[in-house]
Amino acid sequence: DIQMTQSPSSLSASVGDRVTITCRPSQSISSFLNWYQQKPGKAPKLLIYAASSLQSGVPSRFSGSGSGTDFTLTISSLQPEDFATYYCQQSYSAPPYTFGQGTKLEIK
Amino acid sequence: EVHLVESGGGLVQPGRSLRLSCAASGFTFDDSAMHWVRQTPGKGLEWVSGISWNSNSIGYADSVKGRFTISRDNAKNSLYLQMNSLRAEDTALYYCAKDIFLVSGSGSYYDDWGQGTLVTVSS
Repeated sequence: DIQMTQSPSSLSASVGDRVTITCRPSQSISSFLNWYQQKPGKAPKLLIYAASSLQSGVPSRFSGSGSGTDFTLTISSLQPEDFATYYCQQSYSAPPYTFGQGTKLEIK
Repeated sequence: EVHLVESGGGLVQPGRSLRLSCAASGFTFDDSAMHWVRQTPGKGLEWVSGISWNSNSIGYADSVKGRFTISRDNAKNSLYLQMNSLRAEDTALYYCAKDIFLVSGSGSYYDDWGQGTLVTVSS
């Protein structure tokens, strides 16, 4: 199975900050990498698919990049509603479609 | 608007069974593969099982293989998860999620999720 490692596990930042979260799969996954946002008590929400494609309705301050074994999710200017937990997921190989362990973004 | 509503969760003793359901609306159900994803309280997401639009392609996580069975009824716009021989480690919030493809594969992603149903396995 492909293991997904996110860093950091948690992050404190302020409104207006630029934030970057990293996801590293245990093997190359081309660009088959998705990012989800989850707020407390809510279901995950798709942000980015295919490493860099913004899901419809997602603000443009969110962006994704990378390929192979190194991916990043960037929030260009943090807004109060962005404080949440973020997960990456690979969809390269046959099941299981593994998720990263999550990055909790908290208010500083 | 897409709606996915899970049901069937609850408190069950170890070794017993439970059947989860997911009622879908707002989209053409048989245009999408579907998945179950679970989340342990306070922890991360784990893909559990997925099924193609026509039920011909099915997959399971190793942790549930041989104990859980996924199925769907396209006439009823419903997804199911039959969970047998439940263990304490199966305790989680179970989400159903909609794939963008007919058959899940490279490039799949889940563009809609239900709100989840909680399964607690305890004596």
